[in-house]
Amino acid sequence: AQSVTQLGSHVSVSEGALVLLRCNYSSSVPPYLFWYVQYPNQGLQLLLKYTSAATLVKGINGFEAEFKKSETSFHLTKPSAHMSDAAEYFCAVISQAGGYQKVTFGIGTKLQVIP
Amino acid sequence: GAGVSQSPSNKVTEKGKDVELRCDPISGHTALYWYRQRLGQGLEFLIYFQGNSAPDKSGLPSDRFSAERTGESVSTLTIQRTQQEDSAVYLCASSFRTWRIPTVPRGTIEPQHFGDGTRLSIL
Repeated sequence: AQSVTQLGSHVSVSEGALVLLRCNYSSSVPPYLFWYVQYPNQGLQLLLKYTSAATLVKGINGFEAEFKKSETSFHLTKPSAHMSDAAEYFCAVISQAGGYQKVTFGIGTKLQVIP
Repeated sequence: GAGVSQSPSNKVTEKGKDVELRCDPISGHTALYWYRQRLGQGLEFLIYFQGNSAPDKSGLPSDRFSAERTGESVSTLTIQRTQQEDSAVYLCASSFRTWRIPTVPRGTIEPQHFGDGTRLSIL
């Protein structure tokens, strides 16, 4: 069965510093991987997705993620944090259940940006 | 509408009461998903629909939970005899379709679009 592990339920960075949010996956087949962001009192918004077209995936708001098969990782990065990046971030993997899509989410990482 | 709409946005009810949560997916989206998000926890998959049928009900936590979908559009999640542990945000998502993996071309993977959720509080 597919799964994702997000290391660090809370991450704090200074404004302007590098953002690194970690995600490791477990999958018996080439995975489909997503990063979503959730702002307070809102649903989840798609940041970026990996579908094997390219290992480095660029998303919205300056975020990107690199798929590393050897490390079974899909870490999310942004070179310079903005205050508006403060939110909760979820890594997700798609699996097949009964022939249909099933998405498994990580527990989420809350990003705090310190002025 | 432009996005997934959920109602009510907030619901407070007494323990033991039944509640109905509604989700209006994006027009044309045939796949619809329900998730539960408890305070400080990740998303817990509950159920999904492809069209009006629910191939996977494995995530429903108990027989007090049920869901239906009509007209390949609106879905209702019903919780009977609510308990305090049911307090959570219930999120709905839709996507254009589901697909059989791995036969679908990888480039056509369609992400899910989420509503803002219903915050349910059981007193």
